[in-house]
Amino acid sequence: SQTIHQWPATLVQPVGSPLSLECTVEGTSNPNLYWYRQAAGRGLQLLFYSVGIGQISSEVPQNLSASRPQDRQFILSSKKLLLSDSGFYLCAWSVRENTEAFFGQGTRLTVV
Amino acid sequence: GQNIDQPTEMTATEGAIVQINCTYQTSGFNGLFWYQQHAGEAPTFLSYNVLDGLEEKGRFSSFLSRSKGYSYLLLKELQMKDSASYLCAVMDSNYQLIWGAGTKLIIKP
Repeated sequence: SQTIHQWPATLVQPVGSPLSLECTVEGTSNPNLYWYRQAAGRGLQLLFYSVGIGQISSEVPQNLSASRPQDRQFILSSKKLLLSDSGFYLCAWSVRENTEAFFGQGTRLTVV
Repeated sequence: GQNIDQPTEMTATEGAIVQINCTYQTSGFNGLFWYQQHAGEAPTFLSYNVLDGLEEKGRFSSFLSRSKGYSYLLLKELQMKDSASYLCAVMDSNYQLIWGAGTKLIIKP
């Protein structure tokens, strides 16, 4: 069966510090991978998605970046965090574009 | 622009039935999803509708009318564990998911 791992679960970082969130998927090959952010009481905002190694599409211009160094690994990064980067970050995968997405546990990021 | 509307909050009684509505306006349509999200947790997939009609899955059913841009999620025999937010999401012509803000469902004994 397929599983998705996302870590850490919670993170408190100072303004201006770097960020690295990692997500890995097991049990499937060539998944579509996604990074979402969810602000309190809001819908999910798609940040990045990837259909293959090294292929990253960005939906929202910001100080975040994503990389996919391996087929089942997706990394969200920032060189310098802003207060507005606080939120609930979710990694997800799907088999194809038009199928349901499965989510990791999420990372609650607080920038102080 | 693209828009998904659903009520912010609903309250229902344990054992009763509740219907959560979702209306959408998107550029194209490739299916509508319902997810359940408990507080502080990730969303979990409930249902997928791409054709008009009702899809039933145990206590949960989901309905779609593409001509009206409308869907609802029907929850029967409500249990306390059903207290959660319910997210409606539509896949547009570019296969991107457009998400609603979610409906927080409160179940009272």
